[in-house]
Amino acid sequence: EPEVTQTPSHQVTQMGQEVILRCVPISNHLYFYWYRQILGQKVEFLVSFYNNEISEKSEIFDDQFSVERPDGSNFTLKIRSTKLEDSAMYFCASSVEIVPNNEQFFGPGTRLTVL
Amino acid sequence: KQEVTQIPAALSVPEGENLVLNCSFTDSAIYNLQWFRQDPGKGLTSLLLIQSSQREQTSGRLNASLDKSSGRSTLYIAASQPGDSATYLCAVSAQGGSEKLVFGKGMKLTVNP
Repeated sequence: EPEVTQTPSHQVTQMGQEVILRCVPISNHLYFYWYRQILGQKVEFLVSFYNNEISEKSEIFDDQFSVERPDGSNFTLKIRSTKLEDSAMYFCASSVEIVPNNEQFFGPGTRLTVL
Repeated sequence: KQEVTQIPAALSVPEGENLVLNCSFTDSAIYNLQWFRQDPGKGLTSLLLIQSSQREQTSGRLNASLDKSSGRSTLYIAASQPGDSATYLCAVSAQGGSEKLVFGKGMKLTVNP
């Protein structure tokens, strides 16, 4: 069964460093998302991406964040200068359709630890 | 602003019980509602999606219902098993051109053998 994959599973970085989280969405999906979950808190939306551009972003997704689909399979989230509060589990998701049938399929996540 | 609530936060039951998990949301203008399962330290597994025009969806031992006007959804799990132990999350996709999901905090279910 097709699934969303994410690498690395765990990333440890120093405050101020740049990190790139990678995702391979399900191959026939057209809509891509990043969410994050700080330990013990709700899953929060960061950004959605369609047709090679951001379609929606949350207040969390400030200038330190960027997304890219560098080729036909990968979807990346870059954090330019990490902060301690960026420590969280980051989930990539994809869907084949848009609302109302945009069932979103999530990857296993990347746990980001900022020291 | 859409808020999603799941009460209780945790539930512990003996194996074999039929379960009811509740989800409520403040804004009834939704496109759909999705139920997920999350195992410790893992990603989210989609269980069911109910579109706003639907009343319920079924998958195996799972049945989800949606009452959009009252802002409620219920996930029924029949004949619970220890393997059902996980955190169950509900999320809504709001109307107004947004594709984002707004999540509840989840309900941690433990099914004891």
